[in-house]
Parts: sequence; C-alpha cells; structure tokens
Amino acid sequence: QVQLVQSGAEVKKPGASVKVSCKASGYTFTGYYMSWVRQAPGQGLEWMGWVHPNGDTTYAQNFQGRVTMTRDTSINTLYMDLSRLTSDDTAMYYCTRGETGDKIDYWGQGTLVTVSS
Amino acid sequence: DVVMTQSPLSLSVTLGQPASISCRSSQSLLYSDGNTYLNWYHQRPGQPPRRLIYRVSNRDSGVPDRFSGSGSGTDFTLKISWVEAEDAGVYYCMQATQFPPLTFGGGTKVEIK
Repeated sequence: QVQLVQSGAEVKKPGASVKVSCKASGYTFTGYYMSWVRQAPGQGLEWMGWVHPNGDTTYAQNFQGRVTMTRDTSINTLYMDLSRLTSDDTAMYYCTRGETGDKIDYWGQGTLVTVSS
Repeated sequence: DVVMTQSPLSLSVTLGQPASISCRSSQSLLYSDGNTYLNWYHQRPGQPPRRLIYRVSNRDSGVPDRFSGSGSGTDFTLKISWVEAEDAGVYYCMQATQFPPLTFGGGTKVEIK
C-alpha cells in the first residue's frame, strides 16, 4: 500500500532554514508527481511546488527563491528545504503524491514546523 | 492563478440528513485532454486530508457511495446523501487543470448535529 512517512516536528528560529523529508513506499517513486502542501494553524491548504516524475521542479510564486525540493531515488525519499524562515512559515507541511492528471491523491502524515524566537 | 471559491463556509447538518457543498472556479477546469481535474478532499481534525473524489465525479477506493460529485466548467458540487458522524471535518476542492499553481478552495467546515 502507498505510504508517505515524513520526518518529525521542527522548531526553528527566524532566519533559519528547515529541511523536511518524506519517505515513500508501496509504489514506483519516480512515476508520480510529488508535491508539498502547507497548512498554517487553523487555515486552508497552500500548494508550494512539486517534483515532476522526470525530476524537474516547479515552485509556487510565493516560495520562489526560498524553497528547494529534491529527491533521492536510491532511497525513495523526497525533501523540502525552506530558507529565511519567519513566523508566517509556522505550519504543518505535507508531502503528497499524484498521478499526471489529478496531481494529488495520497498525503503524508504531516510535519509541524514552528518558527519562534 | 485559478481562484477556487467554496460555499458555504460552514454547514451544520443533522445526522442522516443530506449536505451539499459548492465549489466555483474563476476559469474553466476543462483540460485539453477532455478531462476536468477537480478533486474533493476531506480533513478530520488532526489528520491529513484524504481524497474523496477525483475528476469531478469519481469516488476513490473505500469512499462510501453516499458521497457524490458533479459539475462541469466552473461550477462543481459535492453531495452527501445522508451524513454520518464520521463525515465531520473540513472539505476542500482543488483544481489541477491550470497549473502552476495547484489551487484549493478555502474549505467548508461540516458539523454533524
């Protein structure tokens, strides 16, 4: 069965960076879009970007220059690196999987990133 | 960017009664391949979202048939024929036709009375 298991919660200071990982299993890792979606406390869902099945990346305008998404196909793991953190980046970060058309079907359990001085 | 607008913001439904959520997009979601990439997700408190419906009207595996999706172009609806206690939570629509970015509706909170 498809599983996306994310790394644990993080607490960071403003200005720092955070790297969240997502280990995939139960399917062919390189055959799907892998997106990151975040959710601020009590708020809705915001798409941050994806790694295309071919390895290319596309980022949302709001995160351009601050986010880097990578993958290690040898261990079926996706990474999201977000730099220059502010309190507005405090959120639950989800990795997701999706087919070419529908883009998002399965979700990881989420990683809470808290930015606080 | 395609703006997704859901209504109502919240809904209080008596157990066993029907519920309906609307989602409107600022542009047509009909893709050049003939598909309309509009998904519905359900999120319970403290849980990640779970996809219920893809491409407007296709239920995901394990989703009860009391959930149905309909619509075309820019207007879409999620209907629950009769609500059960487990249906409480927030429902989101998402479009994957015009990207980037993927965009979500603001969510509809469903409370079961």
